[in-house]
Amino acid sequence: EVQLVQSGAEVKQPGESLKISCEGSGYTFTNYWIDWVRQMPGKGLEWMGTIFPGDSDTKYSPSFQGQVSISADTSITTAYLQWSSLKASDTAMYYCARHAESGYNYAPDLWGQGTLVTVSS
Amino acid sequence: DIQMTQSPSSLSASVGDRVTMTCRASQGISSYLAWYQQKPGKVPELLIYAASTLQSGVPSRFSGSGSGTDFTLTISSLQPEDVAIYYCQKYNSAPRTFGQGTKVEIK
Repeated sequence: EVQLVQSGAEVKQPGESLKISCEGSGYTFTNYWIDWVRQMPGKGLEWMGTIFPGDSDTKYSPSFQGQVSISADTSITTAYLQWSSLKASDTAMYYCARHAESGYNYAPDLWGQGTLVTVSS
Repeated sequence: DIQMTQSPSSLSASVGDRVTMTCRASQGISSYLAWYQQKPGKVPELLIYAASTLQSGVPSRFSGSGSGTDFTLTISSLQPEDVAIYYCQKYNSAPRTFGQGTKVEIK
């Protein structure tokens, strides 16, 4: 079965670091871009950035550039979204999503189940 | 960066009604436009890509049109299970911006 499985919910304090994951299976992981999308409570979808695991080419939204880091480990077919110092405003659901075809200009058709990140003191 | 603007922000219609919502790009994006449906508490699902191509498994009452800067998503006969927020997204280049969403409710 082709799927993306994300890591579980996290509760962190402001200033802490965090790395959440998105494991792909059932397809050739290195051939498809994976996007990260944020959804703050009660709000819309925000595109954060994307990575091509095959060569680690990464693109960020200007809104998230420098705030998060996207990476991938092809040996375990997993993409990551990482923060070095969390803020309360990072509280949100985070989704990973795979592009439908092997190429950049495709809409994501496969989504992970989401990882809820709560940042609170 | 290209901005995506959806209208209306919400709408209420009766079961069986024809429903139309729009998405406007601040610059031309050819047909690199997707529509997603997000039901309450659920993961977004791809409905339409390339502005007008129906994703496999999506009911035929959904249709998309447009190119360049102006796009439309139509539900030909609104069903109770269509209650959701609908988002457009441009995906031809980074940033792959989403619209702010249109919330569809049953009257």
